[in-house]
Amino acid sequence: AQKITQTQPGMFVQEKEAVTLDCTYDTSDQSYGLFWYKQPSSGEMIFLIYQGSYDEQNATEGRYSLNFQKARKSANLVISASQLGDSAMYFCAMSPTIHYSGYALNFGKGTSLLVTP
Amino acid sequence: GAVVSQHPSWVICKSGTSVKIECRSLDFQATTMFWYRQFPKQSLMLMATSNEGSKATYEQGVEKDKFLINHASLTLSTLTVTSAHPEDSSFYICSASPESTDTQYFGPGTRLTVL
Repeated sequence: AQKITQTQPGMFVQEKEAVTLDCTYDTSDQSYGLFWYKQPSSGEMIFLIYQGSYDEQNATEGRYSLNFQKARKSANLVISASQLGDSAMYFCAMSPTIHYSGYALNFGKGTSLLVTP
Repeated sequence: GAVVSQHPSWVICKSGTSVKIECRSLDFQATTMFWYRQFPKQSLMLMATSNEGSKATYEQGVEKDKFLINHASLTLSTLTVTSAHPEDSSFYICSASPESTDTQYFGPGTRLTVL
C-alpha cells in the first residue's frame, strides 16, 4: 500500500521569497508517480508538477520544482518567488505506476500556504 | 487542453432526497473516471472507480447502494447520492484520463449541502 505524508498543516511565506513544502511517501513499488496539486478556495484541483520514479532529474515547471530524493522517499515542492496568488492548499499525491492514466491518485493531507505581502 | 466538467457546481437539498452529479470529459473519451470526496479541511479520498459499460468499483467503507455510479458513455459518469443526509455534505470531485496519455484531469467539483 502507498502512503503519502505531509507534516506541515500550514506554512507562511513572504511575497517574493521561496518556500518548500514537504512530502514523504512510502511504497514498495518500483514504478510510481508523484504529483503536486494546488487547490485554491474555489476547490478546483490545479496540476502543478509530476515526477516519475525513474526520472533522474528533478522536475521543474516555471516557478515550481520538485526536489525528488528517492533514497529518502521525499518529494518536496519548491515554489520560488512566491506570489499572493499562491495562497492555497497544496496536496502531494502518488500513483501506483509511472503511466498513471487509468489509476486513481492517493493524496496526502495537504499543506495550507499563506503568502503575505 | 483536455477539460473535465461537473454539474452542478453546488447543490443544496433536503434530507432524504436524492442528488445526481454529472462528470463529463469534454474533448476526450474516458473508459475510467474516478470519484473523490473531500470533507472540509481534509484531503481527497477516493470513493469509487467508474468503468464505462460495467459496474463501478467502490472503496472500502463506501456504500454502493447509497452512492450510485453510472458510466453510461465514454464521456459521462454520474454519481447519485440517494436519500442524502447531512453527513453526506461534502465536496465531490471527479477525475478522468484521456486514453493513451499520462495526464489526469480533475473536474471543478460539486459542493453538496444537505439540510
